[in-house]
Amino acid sequence: RKEVEQDPGPFNVPEGATVAFNCTYSNSASQSFFWYRQDCRKEPKLLMSVYSSGNEDGRFTAQLNRASQYISLLIRDSKLSDSATYLCVVTGGGGNKLTFGTGTQLKVEL
Amino acid sequence: EAGVAQSPRYKIIEKRQSVAFWCNPISGHATLYWYQQILGQGPKLLIQFQNNGVVDDSQLPKDRFSAERLKGVDSTLKIQPAKLEDSAVYLCASSLNRGHETQYFGPGTRLLVL
Repeated sequence: RKEVEQDPGPFNVPEGATVAFNCTYSNSASQSFFWYRQDCRKEPKLLMSVYSSGNEDGRFTAQLNRASQYISLLIRDSKLSDSATYLCVVTGGGGNKLTFGTGTQLKVEL
Repeated sequence: EAGVAQSPRYKIIEKRQSVAFWCNPISGHATLYWYQQILGQGPKLLIQFQNNGVVDDSQLPKDRFSAERLKGVDSTLKIQPAKLEDSAVYLCASSLNRGHETQYFGPGTRLLVL
């Protein structure tokens, strides 16, 4: 079983749609959780951290369910510029080692 | 503030040749990471340095890969000899320290082994 699992997509959605990505992780000792965004042929960039209480940043909402070892990202009112790959990332133990999922590709269309 | 710098940006070599990649982290960042990202996959950590010491190299194929950060700033990752399956993007990242701070990634070096 992979440490971090995501549906690779692609998710093709019209502009203005709401889209949700899910991610599961296998290590119950994982401590920190993130969503990174990666544009085509670019480096990953931190989109947002994910907290147990859930957190929101504009059109983006992230939630964590530790009991189910499940992380989600919700994007409301999708924009063309949201088209990218969204990487689910967890850390565990010392050293700040990031373990990445394979990413979910989003394509927002007119 | 300057970001993480990497060079070269692209490299094409034949299998069994050697190749080296260079990374200059953000100034003041003590922790430096090298990741390998194969097409269609997420980045995989190869090695992590804290200043000039290795923290984690458990996923580094040590028979062919080596890395150093001699003065605790710049770092070099080497592959010798390269195999076809080493074709990937090699990403360098840095963070202030080894706690759970944000990692900032460089643009990567895209390696193609023929």
